[in-house]
Amino acid sequence: KQEVTQIPAALSVPEGENLVLNCSFTDSAIYNLQWFRQDPGKGLTSLLLIQSSQREQTSGRLNASLDKSSGRSTLYIAASQPGDSATYLCAVISGGAQKLVFGQGTRLTINP
Amino acid sequence: NAGVTQTPKFRILKIGQSMTLQCTQDMNHNYMYWYRQDPGMGLKLIYYSVGAGITDKGEVPNGYNVSRSTTEDFPLRLELAAPSQTSVYFCASSYRLTGETEAFFGQGTRLTVV
Repeated sequence: KQEVTQIPAALSVPEGENLVLNCSFTDSAIYNLQWFRQDPGKGLTSLLLIQSSQREQTSGRLNASLDKSSGRSTLYIAASQPGDSATYLCAVISGGAQKLVFGQGTRLTINP
Repeated sequence: NAGVTQTPKFRILKIGQSMTLQCTQDMNHNYMYWYRQDPGMGLKLIYYSVGAGITDKGEVPNGYNVSRSTTEDFPLRLELAAPSQTSVYFCASSYRLTGETEAFFGQGTRLTVV
Protein backbone atom coordinates (compact mmCIF):
# COMPACT_ATOMS: atom_id res chain seq x y z
CA LYS A 1 0.00 0.00 0.00
CA GLN A 2 1.40 3.37 -1.00
CA GLU A 3 1.92 5.82 1.85
CA VAL A 4 2.92 9.44 1.43
CA THR A 5 4.49 11.51 4.20
CA GLN A 6 5.19 15.24 4.26
CA ILE A 7 7.66 16.88 6.61
CA PRO A 8 7.40 19.31 8.28
CA ALA A 9 3.70 19.53 9.08
CA ALA A 10 4.02 23.28 9.54
CA LEU A 11 6.68 25.84 8.70
CA SER A 12 6.94 29.54 9.46
CA VAL A 13 9.70 31.65 7.89
CA PRO A 14 10.36 35.35 7.29
CA GLU A 15 9.73 36.85 3.89
CA GLY A 16 12.54 36.52 1.36
CA GLU A 17 13.91 33.19 2.55
CA ASN A 18 14.39 30.20 0.31
CA LEU A 19 12.74 27.07 1.67
CA VAL A 20 12.30 23.37 0.99
CA LEU A 21 9.25 21.19 1.59
CA ASN A 22 9.69 17.44 1.69
CA CYS A 23 7.56 14.56 0.46
CA SER A 24 8.38 10.85 0.76
CA PHE A 25 6.56 7.81 -0.57
CA THR A 26 6.93 4.11 0.19
CA ASP A 27 6.38 2.52 -3.24
CA SER A 28 8.76 3.77 -5.92
CA ALA A 29 6.64 2.34 -8.76
CA ILE A 30 4.84 5.60 -9.54
CA TYR A 31 3.52 7.17 -12.71
CA ASN A 32 4.06 10.70 -11.48
CA LEU A 33 4.07 13.04 -8.51
CA GLN A 34 2.02 16.20 -8.31
CA TRP A 35 2.40 19.19 -5.97
CA PHE A 36 -0.70 21.18 -5.05
CA ARG A 37 -1.40 24.38 -3.19
CA GLN A 38 -4.48 24.82 -1.01
CA ASP A 39 -5.55 28.15 0.41
CA PRO A 40 -7.78 28.15 3.53
CA GLY A 41 -11.33 27.14 2.68
CA LYS A 42 -10.47 26.64 -0.98
CA GLY A 43 -9.87 23.82 -3.41
CA LEU A 44 -6.58 22.42 -4.69
CA THR A 45 -4.51 24.20 -7.30
CA SER A 46 -1.97 22.15 -9.22
CA LEU A 47 1.53 23.63 -9.06
CA LEU A 48 3.84 21.12 -10.69
CA LEU A 49 3.65 17.65 -12.18
CA ILE A 50 6.76 15.48 -12.36
CA GLN A 51 6.62 12.38 -14.49
CA SER A 52 8.39 9.29 -13.20
CA SER A 53 11.02 9.62 -15.93
CA GLN A 54 11.83 13.22 -14.97
CA ARG A 55 14.14 14.54 -12.26
CA GLU A 56 12.69 18.01 -11.82
CA GLN A 57 10.18 20.59 -12.97
CA THR A 58 10.27 24.35 -12.62
CA SER A 59 7.59 27.02 -12.65
CA GLY A 60 8.63 30.55 -11.77
CA ARG A 61 10.02 30.55 -8.22
CA LEU A 62 9.05 26.92 -7.68
CA ASN A 63 11.26 23.93 -8.40
CA ALA A 64 10.23 20.36 -7.68
CA SER A 65 12.63 17.45 -7.77
CA LEU A 66 11.99 13.73 -7.81
CA ASP A 67 14.25 10.87 -6.71
CA LYS A 68 12.13 7.85 -7.44
CA SER A 69 14.65 5.28 -6.25
CA SER A 70 14.76 6.79 -2.77
CA GLY A 71 11.06 7.63 -2.71
CA ARG A 72 11.53 11.36 -2.21
CA SER A 73 10.47 14.66 -3.69
CA THR A 74 11.23 18.21 -2.65
CA LEU A 75 9.50 21.47 -3.45
CA TYR A 76 11.88 24.42 -3.40
CA ILE A 77 10.40 27.91 -3.10
CA ALA A 78 12.78 30.76 -3.84
CA ALA A 79 12.51 34.25 -2.38
CA SER A 80 9.35 33.49 -0.42
CA GLN A 81 6.54 36.04 -0.25
CA PRO A 82 3.55 36.42 2.12
CA GLY A 83 1.31 35.36 -0.77
CA ASP A 84 2.99 31.95 -0.71
CA SER A 85 1.32 31.23 2.63
CA ALA A 86 -0.87 28.17 2.11
CA THR A 87 -0.91 24.42 2.64
CA TYR A 88 1.18 22.46 0.16
CA LEU A 89 0.20 18.89 -0.65
CA CYS A 90 2.02 16.26 -2.63
CA ALA A 91 0.31 13.29 -4.25
CA VAL A 92 1.51 10.27 -6.21
CA ILE A 93 -0.13 7.96 -8.69
CA SER A 94 1.24 4.48 -8.16
CA GLY A 95 1.81 2.09 -11.01
CA GLY A 96 -0.21 -0.65 -9.41
CA ALA A 97 -3.13 1.47 -8.27
CA GLN A 98 -5.44 3.76 -10.15
CA LYS A 99 -5.67 6.65 -7.76
CA LEU A 100 -3.89 9.65 -6.29
CA VAL A 101 -2.50 9.11 -2.79
CA PHE A 102 -1.93 12.28 -0.78
CA GLY A 103 0.38 13.31 1.99
CA GLN A 104 -1.06 15.26 4.91
CA GLY A 105 0.39 18.53 3.74
CA THR A 106 2.75 21.22 5.00
CA ARG A 107 1.15 24.42 6.29
CA LEU A 108 3.45 27.25 5.26
CA THR A 109 3.36 30.74 6.75
CA ILE A 110 5.53 33.52 5.33
CA ASN A 111 5.89 36.41 7.77
CA PRO A 112 6.26 39.96 6.36
CA ASN B 1 -13.72 26.30 -19.52
CA ALA B 2 -15.50 25.00 -16.40
CA GLY B 3 -13.19 22.08 -15.48
CA VAL B 4 -14.57 20.18 -12.47
CA THR B 5 -17.77 21.60 -10.97
CA GLN B 6 -19.16 20.59 -7.60
CA THR B 7 -22.53 21.47 -6.14
CA PRO B 8 -23.56 22.51 -3.58
CA LYS B 9 -20.68 24.51 -2.05
CA PHE B 10 -22.10 24.30 1.46
CA ARG B 11 -24.70 22.13 3.13
CA ILE B 12 -25.96 21.42 6.62
CA LEU B 13 -27.64 18.06 7.18
CA LYS B 14 -29.41 16.64 10.17
CA ILE B 15 -28.40 13.22 11.46
CA GLY B 16 -30.13 10.52 9.44
CA GLN B 17 -30.85 12.67 6.40
CA SER B 18 -29.56 11.77 2.96
CA MET B 19 -28.13 13.87 0.15
CA THR B 20 -26.26 13.70 -3.12
CA LEU B 21 -23.13 15.70 -3.84
CA GLN B 22 -22.89 16.48 -7.53
CA CYS B 23 -19.70 16.46 -9.60
CA THR B 24 -19.41 17.21 -13.31
CA GLN B 25 -16.36 17.56 -15.52
CA ASP B 26 -16.26 18.84 -19.08
CA MET B 27 -12.77 17.63 -20.03
CA ASN B 28 -13.80 14.18 -21.24
CA HIS B 29 -11.74 12.59 -18.48
CA ASN B 30 -11.95 8.87 -17.87
CA TYR B 31 -10.93 8.86 -14.22
CA MET B 32 -12.95 10.53 -11.52
CA TYR B 33 -12.46 10.53 -7.74
CA TRP B 34 -14.16 11.54 -4.53
CA TYR B 35 -12.01 12.57 -1.57
CA ARG B 36 -12.81 13.87 1.88
CA GLN B 37 -10.60 16.20 3.86
CA ASP B 38 -10.93 16.51 7.60
CA PRO B 39 -9.45 19.53 9.43
CA GLY B 40 -5.65 19.50 9.43
CA MET B 41 -5.53 16.26 7.48
CA GLY B 42 -4.70 15.20 3.97
CA LEU B 43 -7.21 13.86 1.50
CA LYS B 44 -8.65 10.38 1.85
CA LEU B 45 -10.14 8.56 -1.11
CA ILE B 46 -13.78 7.55 -0.79
CA TYR B 47 -14.60 6.12 -4.22
CA TYR B 48 -13.18 6.32 -7.70
CA SER B 49 -14.18 5.44 -11.24
CA VAL B 50 -12.06 4.56 -14.27
CA GLY B 51 -14.89 5.05 -16.75
CA ALA B 52 -18.64 5.07 -17.20
CA GLY B 53 -20.24 2.10 -15.49
CA ILE B 54 -17.13 1.23 -13.43
CA THR B 55 -16.63 2.26 -9.81
CA ASP B 56 -14.48 1.01 -6.96
CA LYS B 57 -13.99 1.65 -3.26
CA GLY B 58 -11.21 3.76 -1.85
CA GLU B 59 -9.90 3.97 1.73
CA VAL B 60 -13.07 5.21 3.45
CA PRO B 61 -16.19 4.10 1.51
CA ASN B 62 -18.50 3.25 4.41
CA GLY B 63 -21.64 5.38 4.48
CA TYR B 64 -21.30 6.47 0.85
CA ASN B 65 -22.36 5.30 -2.57
CA VAL B 66 -21.51 6.40 -6.09
CA SER B 67 -22.62 5.83 -9.65
CA ARG B 68 -21.08 6.67 -13.01
CA SER B 69 -23.70 6.49 -15.73
CA THR B 70 -21.95 9.03 -17.96
CA THR B 71 -18.36 10.14 -18.53
CA GLU B 72 -19.16 13.63 -17.25
CA ASP B 73 -20.98 12.95 -13.98
CA PHE B 74 -19.91 11.22 -10.78
CA PRO B 75 -22.39 11.87 -7.95
CA LEU B 76 -21.66 10.88 -4.35
CA ARG B 77 -24.60 9.74 -2.25
CA LEU B 78 -24.66 9.97 1.55
CA GLU B 79 -27.21 7.73 3.18
CA LEU B 80 -28.20 8.24 6.83
CA ALA B 81 -25.82 11.12 7.52
CA ALA B 82 -23.72 10.90 10.69
CA PRO B 83 -21.62 13.56 12.47
CA SER B 84 -18.48 11.64 11.41
CA GLN B 85 -19.28 12.61 7.83
CA THR B 86 -18.78 16.30 8.60
CA SER B 87 -15.95 17.17 6.25
CA VAL B 88 -14.98 18.92 3.05
CA TYR B 89 -15.56 16.79 -0.03
CA PHE B 90 -13.52 17.16 -3.19
CA CYS B 91 -14.17 15.69 -6.59
CA ALA B 92 -11.30 15.27 -9.05
CA SER B 93 -10.75 13.98 -12.55
CA SER B 94 -7.88 12.98 -14.82
CA TYR B 95 -7.67 11.79 -18.40
CA ARG B 96 -5.83 8.56 -17.79
CA LEU B 97 -3.07 7.19 -15.66
CA THR B 98 0.17 7.90 -17.44
CA GLY B 99 3.16 9.96 -16.53
CA GLU B 100 1.81 13.12 -18.07
CA THR B 101 -1.62 12.83 -16.47
CA GLU B 102 -2.57 15.77 -14.31
CA ALA B 103 -5.45 15.66 -11.84
CA PHE B 104 -7.90 18.55 -11.61
CA PHE B 105 -10.01 19.32 -8.57
CA GLY B 106 -13.32 20.98 -7.91
CA GLN B 107 -13.69 23.73 -5.32
CA GLY B 108 -15.15 21.41 -2.73
CA THR B 109 -18.39 20.92 -0.81
CA ARG B 110 -18.33 21.79 2.87
CA LEU B 111 -20.75 19.48 4.68
CA THR B 112 -21.81 19.74 8.30
CA VAL B 113 -23.94 17.04 9.94
CA VAL B 114 -25.70 18.15 13.12
